[in-house]
Amino acid sequence: AQTVTQSQPEMSVQEAETVTLSCTYDTSESDYYLFWYKQPPSRQMILVIRQEAYKQQNATENRFSVNFQKAAKSFSLKISDSQLGDAAMYFCAYVLSNFGNEKLTFGTGTRLTIIP
Amino acid sequence: DTGVSQNPRHKITKRGQNVTFRCDPISEHNRLYWYRQTLGQGPEFLTYFQNEAQLEKSRLLSDRFSAERPKGSFSTLEIQRTEQGDSAMYLCASSARDSKASEAFFGQGTRLTVV
Repeated sequence: AQTVTQSQPEMSVQEAETVTLSCTYDTSESDYYLFWYKQPPSRQMILVIRQEAYKQQNATENRFSVNFQKAAKSFSLKISDSQLGDAAMYFCAYVLSNFGNEKLTFGTGTRLTIIP
Repeated sequence: DTGVSQNPRHKITKRGQNVTFRCDPISEHNRLYWYRQTLGQGPEFLTYFQNEAQLEKSRLLSDRFSAERPKGSFSTLEIQRTEQGDSAMYLCASSARDSKASEAFFGQGTRLTVV
């Protein structure tokens, strides 16, 4: 079974600084997707960034980028120029790239606090 | 369309009562998912629909749980004879057809408290 591990329950960063959230996963599959989702307090979860396992290039979305190390099964999220609106729970998630197997497996999350 | 809608947002019920939650996905999305999230944990997969067909159910979905999506649009999740361990946030998500692992859009969830 696939598992996703986030070893940092809480992180904090000064506004405008850079922070990296860690995620490792375990799978025997070679074709899959990895995601970072953001869950602000009392608001719905939204997708921050997505990485396809067969792509070697790390995904980037504005201030958000990932460091995808397939052999090490590591998928960290870097947030540059942190803003107050980045404060949230961040979940790393995995899904197999097969039609008919769409369930996301989530980690336990990292609570990110932005210090003004 | 304003996204995935879930009702009610909060539900408090007495142990042993039945509850039903509703999820309205984004209109053009044919895939719908239910997840459960307990305090301090990430969401856990419960079940998945493609159109009206329920394609997969987690072992977490005991016999007291039933989900339906009768016309391939909205979905309901019913919990019978609720137990305190059912207290959690129940999340619904939807995604579009014909794409592998496309972006899942989540609703705000229904928070269930069983007293």
